Amino acid sequence: EAAVTQSPRSKVAVTGGKVTLSCHQTNNHDYMYWYRQDTGHGLRLIHYSYVADSTEKGDIPDGYKASRPSQENFSLILELASLSQTAVYFCASSDAGWGGNYAEQFFGPGTRLTVL
Amino acid sequence: GEQVEQLPSILRVQEGSSASINCTYENSASNYFPWYKQEPGENPKLIIDIRSNMERKQTQGLIVLLDKKAKRFSLHITDTQPGDSAMYFCAASPPHYGNEKITFGAGTKLTIKP
Repeated sequence: EAAVTQSPRSKVAVTGGKVTLSCHQTNNHDYMYWYRQDTGHGLRLIHYSYVADSTEKGDIPDGYKASRPSQENFSLILELASLSQTAVYFCASSDAGWGGNYAEQFFGPGTRLTVL
Repeated sequence: GEQVEQLPSILRVQEGSSASINCTYENSASNYFPWYKQEPGENPKLIIDIRSNMERKQTQGLIVLLDKKAKRFSLHITDTQPGDSAMYFCAASPPHYGNEKITFGAGTKLTIKP
């Protein structure tokens, strides 16, 4: 089965600090995604990437950066963490899905981030 | 883009009965509708999906119905069991794109009462 791992699994950060969330997949998937989950909002896409060394903005990219140094690794970076960024963050990967060819997304276990 | 509304947000049903979750979408061109299940403390997993060329799909106690005219789709869980207790997310995606344009509903917390 597909394997997506995230680190850390939980983190407490201070307002204004820098936070890096890491994601690693062993599925040989081209696409990787970062979502945040908040009560009442479901999953919202922050950034995604379809190839190493390239990232794209999702629906809510403000306050976040992403980095895809290799096919297997995808990081989410909060340069100046804010209280509003307290949430659970999920990474996911999938095969290429474009032009209407959707592919199942495989999610990691999530990272619970608390900004104080 | 797309907007997806999911109701109810909380659902409690007796074990053995059926549970239904309803979603509506705005973009009449959307053509892919997956459902994800997230068990407590776990990651979301795809359980069933339907494309716009179908009106009904069934697998392992799950039924998905799609009404394109009403822009509405629904998940029906028959003969619910304790293992069905979880968060369920519907989603919709417009044509000509892949997963990067999938919009998720806010989720339904389903609890199966023994």
